[in-house]
Amino acid sequence: DGGITQSPKYLFRKEGQNVTLSCEQNLNHDAMYWYRQDPGQGLRLIYYSQIVNDFQKGDIAEGYSVSREKKESFPLTVTSAQKNPTAFYLCASTRGGSGANVLTFGAGSRLTVL
Amino acid sequence: SQELEQSPQSLIVQEGKNLTINCTSSKTLYGLYWYKQKYGEGLIFLMMLQKGGEEKSHEKITAKLDEKKQQSSLHITASQPSHAGIYLCGAEILNSGGSNYKLTFGKGTLLTVNP
Repeated sequence: DGGITQSPKYLFRKEGQNVTLSCEQNLNHDAMYWYRQDPGQGLRLIYYSQIVNDFQKGDIAEGYSVSREKKESFPLTVTSAQKNPTAFYLCASTRGGSGANVLTFGAGSRLTVL
Repeated sequence: SQELEQSPQSLIVQEGKNLTINCTSSKTLYGLYWYKQKYGEGLIFLMMLQKGGEEKSHEKITAKLDEKKQQSSLHITASQPSHAGIYLCGAEILNSGGSNYKLTFGKGTLLTVNP
């Protein structure tokens, strides 16, 4: 079955460490997104990529980095520069281009900084 | 300020009751999406509305987009415990420069259905 796989599901990090969250999709979607979700805050866009080897900053990109070397993969690195990294992270993808923008989401990764 | 306002923030209903969740913007909504989320999981797509006055239904859930395309409602008839979760609306809104559309989400509505 096609879908988006995020790993790990749960991750604990010490302050000052970088961590990378994996996102893989087999939907042949062009566009991929990373969102952060905090209680009562809804979803906030971190980074997005509409094609391979290209990505743009979202609303809250500071302290995060991404790469898009393959169409199927869009890993997110949470760096030590991110002041408040404890959150639920969601990866999503869509076919891209003009028209309807229905997002398919992964199951999420919960990052806790100790 | 929030571009997409959802109300109520949370809702507790008795099983079998009807309920409505609203999603409102001061800007025109180009593409309105409703998603459902179980706590700690990803979002599941429910419905998409694009035209003013459009209405769609799936099982006991009906979504509407008003004629001015600035407000959408999600109505659940005869609610069941399986309807419990977080409902989020997402919409494409023209950015301030008018050059492209930005997909933005409301903060969500937490629905509890008591048996």
